[in-house]
Amino acid sequence: EPEVTQTPSHQVTQMGQEVILRCVPISNHLYFYWYRQILGQKVEFLVSFYNNEISEKSEIFDDQFSVERPDGSNFTLKIRSTKLEDSAMYFCASRGGGTGSSYYGYTFGSGTRLTVV
Amino acid sequence: QQQVKQSPQSLIVQKGGISIINCAYENTAFDYFPWYQQFPGKGPALLIAIRPDVSEKKEGRFTISFNKSAKQFSLHIMDSQPGDSATYFCAAGGTSYDKVIFGPGTSLSVIP
Repeated sequence: EPEVTQTPSHQVTQMGQEVILRCVPISNHLYFYWYRQILGQKVEFLVSFYNNEISEKSEIFDDQFSVERPDGSNFTLKIRSTKLEDSAMYFCASRGGGTGSSYYGYTFGSGTRLTVV
Repeated sequence: QQQVKQSPQSLIVQKGGISIINCAYENTAFDYFPWYQQFPGKGPALLIAIRPDVSEKKEGRFTISFNKSAKQFSLHIMDSQPGDSATYFCAAGGTSYDKVIFGPGTSLSVIP
């Protein structure tokens, strides 16, 4: 079954440093997302991306965050200057376009655990 | 208005019993209601989903019941097994929203 692949699985960074979280969505999917989950809390939407641009972003997704699809296969989330409160699991997700079940079929990766120290 | 409420926060069920998790939403524009299962250290995995044009959907031991007028939906896990122990998230989304909104989650423990 196709998977969304995320790397690294765990990233430790010092406060103020830049981090890039990487994702390889399912190859024929058109819509890409980042969500985060602070330990023990709910999964929160960060940003959606379609046709090489952001289609929607949440209040959490401030100027410190950016996303990019640099080469047609990878989808990255960059945090420019990390804060302690950015520590969380970050999940990438993708879904297909068109109509029917593929329109709604979000597939999530296993996540990157970001620890800011 | 985009909030999804979920209860209970945690649930302990004996093996073979029925696990029931309830969710409620406010925004009538939602037209897609998935349930996700999450094991520790893993991402949410789609378990089952329903559209509002049906009141019930069953896949194996998992059933979604949907009440459009009450804006509520629930997950029933029949013959619960220890391997079902996980966190379950209901969510809502649809054609008007380029995302899914997650409920706060229910931690299910199935004890032998």
